[in-house]
Amino acid sequence: KQEVTQIPAALSVPEGENLVLNCSFTDSAIYNLQWFRQDPGKGLTSLLLIQSSQREQTSGRLNASLDKSSGRSTLYIAASQPGDSATYLCAVVSGSARQLTFGSGTQLTVLP
Amino acid sequence: DADVTQTPRNRITKTGKRIMLECSQTKGHDRMYWYRQDPGLGLRLIYYSFDVKDINKGEISDGYSVSRQAQAKFSLSLESAIPNQTALYFCATSDRRHMNTGELFFGEGSRLTVL
Repeated sequence: KQEVTQIPAALSVPEGENLVLNCSFTDSAIYNLQWFRQDPGKGLTSLLLIQSSQREQTSGRLNASLDKSSGRSTLYIAASQPGDSATYLCAVVSGSARQLTFGSGTQLTVLP
Repeated sequence: DADVTQTPRNRITKTGKRIMLECSQTKGHDRMYWYRQDPGLGLRLIYYSFDVKDINKGEISDGYSVSRQAQAKFSLSLESAIPNQTALYFCATSDRRHMNTGELFFGEGSRLTVL
C-alpha cells in the first residue's frame, strides 16, 4: 500500500525567504507526482505535475524535483510572499487503478 | 462558473440522518472521485467511477454509497450519518485521455458536520 509523508507539517518563514517542502513515498513504482495548493475553505489547485520519467518541473517561482528511486520529491519556493501562505499537498499516482494517494500536507505561513 | 460544483457547501446534521452530497462537472471528463479530508490525514479516496456503469470502492468506502446518474453527475450518500463522518468532502474529475498523467480537478469541497 502506497504511503505518502510530508515533513514538516507546518512551516513559518519571513517574507522573501527561499524554502523547501518535502514529500516522500514508500512505493517507487509511481506514474507521476503532483503538488497541490489548498487555501482555507477552498478546493485543491494543481501546481506542478512531474511524470515518472522526469526529474523536475518549474512554474514561475516554484520548482519541483523528483527522485523516484529514493521515493522523494521537493517543492522549492523562491522569494516567498505572504500570498504563498496555504497548505501544500503532494500526491502520487500508482497502482493498477492509477489511484492518487495524498500526503497530509505542509501548512505554510509567510510572514510579512 | 466552477468546472466542478459541489452541493451543499456546508451541512450540519444529526446522527442517523441520511445525507447526500452532489457533484456535477462541466469538463466533459469521464472519471469522477469522492475524497474525504481529515486534519492530519490528507485526502483519502472513498469511491471512484470511470464511467456511468463503473463504480469502484476506494480506501474507506464503509458507511458510504455512490450513484453515477450521468457522466456529469456523481453523488455520495451517507445512509445513516455518524459523528466520525464529520469531515471535508471533495469531488474530483479526470480525463481518461490523460490517464497516465492522473491529473485531477477538484471541487471546492463540502463541509459536513454530524452531531
